[in-house]
Amino acid sequence: KAGVTQTPRYLIKTRGQQVTLSCSPISGHRSVSWYQQTPGQGLQFLFEYFSETQRNKGNFPGRFSGRQFSNSRSEMNVSTLELGDSALYLCASARFSTDTQYFGPGTRLTVL
Amino acid sequence: AQKITQTQPGMFVQEKEAVTLDCTYDTSDPSYGLFWYKQPSSGEMIFLIYQGSYDQQNATEGRYSLNFQKARKSANLVISASQLGDSAMYFCAMREGYSGGSNYKLTFGKGTLLTVNP
Repeated sequence: KAGVTQTPRYLIKTRGQQVTLSCSPISGHRSVSWYQQTPGQGLQFLFEYFSETQRNKGNFPGRFSGRQFSNSRSEMNVSTLELGDSALYLCASARFSTDTQYFGPGTRLTVL
Repeated sequence: AQKITQTQPGMFVQEKEAVTLDCTYDTSDPSYGLFWYKQPSSGEMIFLIYQGSYDQQNATEGRYSLNFQKARKSANLVISASQLGDSAMYFCAMREGYSGGSNYKLTFGKGTLLTVNP
């Protein structure tokens, strides 16, 4: 069974731009979560989607948003990029919200 | 207060030896889950092992075992017979609200960088 896939793997943007990251979960998984990983803050939870509904949201500004489609694929969007948004963005999928989360390879975003 | 504490920023172990990575947690929720993930330099987080708060026995998965001491709120990862490929960052994580609450997120510790020497 294929694992979680994330596209693109690497991204370079400039301040003020916006970016969209994509995540395709493991087949049959309906829960998708997003995390931000930085050297200073470590791994921080962004949000979780289940059956196209956002069920939980972390402590991030409104510039960070996401959505989930009917096929469980998910996207996250960051608008008005700041230097501090440079990070590894990890997506994780699970069969349901309380099940083990399996992570994708991440998207490394660099904001210049 | 930190919910997950990993006190060892870095650990060294000789190949074929066993190593214990420490993790303590803080929660008032009676139902929770504890996880260990491995993150090689490539960045992908690899699930290793899970322990539920109501599980009576310590979890084991191949060379990985979890030393769960509920009263002490610790969930240490034991890797037996270390291999060079075990060199990576290891994260302990907790999920609260397992009993049906709305909090399904994982809270991670800062991680321990394990280096296996030949």
